[in-house]
Amino acid sequence: QITLKESGPTLVKPTQTLTLTCTFSGFSLSTSGVGVAWIRQPPGKALEWLALIYWDDDKRYSPSLKTRLTITKDTSKNQVVLTMTNMGPVDTATYYCAHRHPLHGGMDVWGQGTTVTVSS
Amino acid sequence: QSVLTQPPSASGTPGQRVIISCSGSSSNIGNNYVYWYQQLPGMAPKLLIYRNNQRPSGVPDRFSGSKSGTSASLAISGLRSEDEADYYCAAWDDSLSGPVFGGGTKLTVL
Repeated sequence: QITLKESGPTLVKPTQTLTLTCTFSGFSLSTSGVGVAWIRQPPGKALEWLALIYWDDDKRYSPSLKTRLTITKDTSKNQVVLTMTNMGPVDTATYYCAHRHPLHGGMDVWGQGTTVTVSS
Repeated sequence: QSVLTQPPSASGTPGQRVIISCSGSSSNIGNNYVYWYQQLPGMAPKLLIYRNNQRPSGVPDRFSGSKSGTSASLAISGLRSEDEADYYCAAWDDSLSGPVFGGGTKLTVL
């Protein structure tokens, strides 16, 4: 059974850097085709894809946020870490990590999400 | 402004069939698979349809997906109160080198 759980600060100040950790179980991020994505959802708004890391360490970023994002993986710890620099109030959102299915490419299992508020 | 366009709302009565549309372009829907996600109130999204029209195990066959050209649609037949949720379409975008989502459609069961 695949599970993912996001962790990190619930409150960050403007201009600070956010670091979120996705801890997963039930799969290996060294298995061909597997990936872990980060997606966020501002209150009352739509889903927005942020970043994706594949089993082979290929990394993809949302073009609009690319300069602020870094995604890394620690296969031995079953973790994926997302950092986002220069946080602002518009970055207030629920942040999800999700498992990318190795065969069909959909995000088939999601974490419960973690809510991050940006405020001074 | 989402890359994929969905109607903001849809509604139907129990037992009815509802269709939710999703419009994109050749860089996303036109050349890639479409996925649909259901997000119940206060919950994380759940994969409903993958590769245009495939259902993960456990998803009722009341849910079906289709794609034609640069558009896709999700059909829900035999509408039930528990189907009241937000529905999102998604597809890989070749120009952006990543997945893109629709703006979501809020389904109300009257």
